Amino acid sequence: SAVISQKPSRDICQRGTSLTIQCQVDSQVTMMFWYRQQPGQSLTLIATANQGSEATYESGFVIDKFPISRPNLTFSTLTVSNMSPEDSSIYLCSVESNYGYYGYTFGSGTRLTVV
Amino acid sequence: SQKIEQNSEALNIQEGKTATLTCNYTNYSPAYLQWYRQDPGRGPVFLLLIRENEKEKRKERLKVTFDTTLKQSLFHITASQPADSATYLCALPHTGTASKLTFGTGTRLQVTL
Repeated sequence: SAVISQKPSRDICQRGTSLTIQCQVDSQVTMMFWYRQQPGQSLTLIATANQGSEATYESGFVIDKFPISRPNLTFSTLTVSNMSPEDSSIYLCSVESNYGYYGYTFGSGTRLTVV
Repeated sequence: SQKIEQNSEALNIQEGKTATLTCNYTNYSPAYLQWYRQDPGRGPVFLLLIRENEKEKRKERLKVTFDTTLKQSLFHITASQPADSATYLCALPHTGTASKLTFGTGTRLQVTL
């Protein structure tokens, strides 16, 4: 299965600023997925990032707040913009293996605290 | 809308016993269901996938059942160990877009000596 390197692993940011999270995959993948996990909650899909096209966002998430880049088949970034304390969460990227039949691989997560 | 439910209360069991976790879903007929383990501060780790035409699947001390009539999956850990303590999540492919996953709320398992 793929190996994902995600960074930063954690950060403490001032409200009103932005943070860019990076995910590097050791193999080429068509789709990358970005999730948010709020404290004590399960994972919520933010968007799907495809190389060469705009990301597809889930209900409740917008591009202005969470712009995503996907410059090639092994890399993606998620930016959390104009942050507020409500954005404090763990952010995770993920890729699928063999159309999901061998599960999805996740990055180690970015723990974001906004103060 | 698609809904996945897992016991929100933590499950506490004694070492050596079998832990059984439940995943129920509604308004959906998934082609498969997945189980993940998540440790604090880490991303989920894939454990098992069971397809709609499979009743049961095993991997070492893990066993998963899938009842599409009841819309339920059971996840068993036999001979549980303290190292099995973690949160266990079930996940289903999105309605209409199989590449996306929807996760349950997860059940925290605590195995004590």
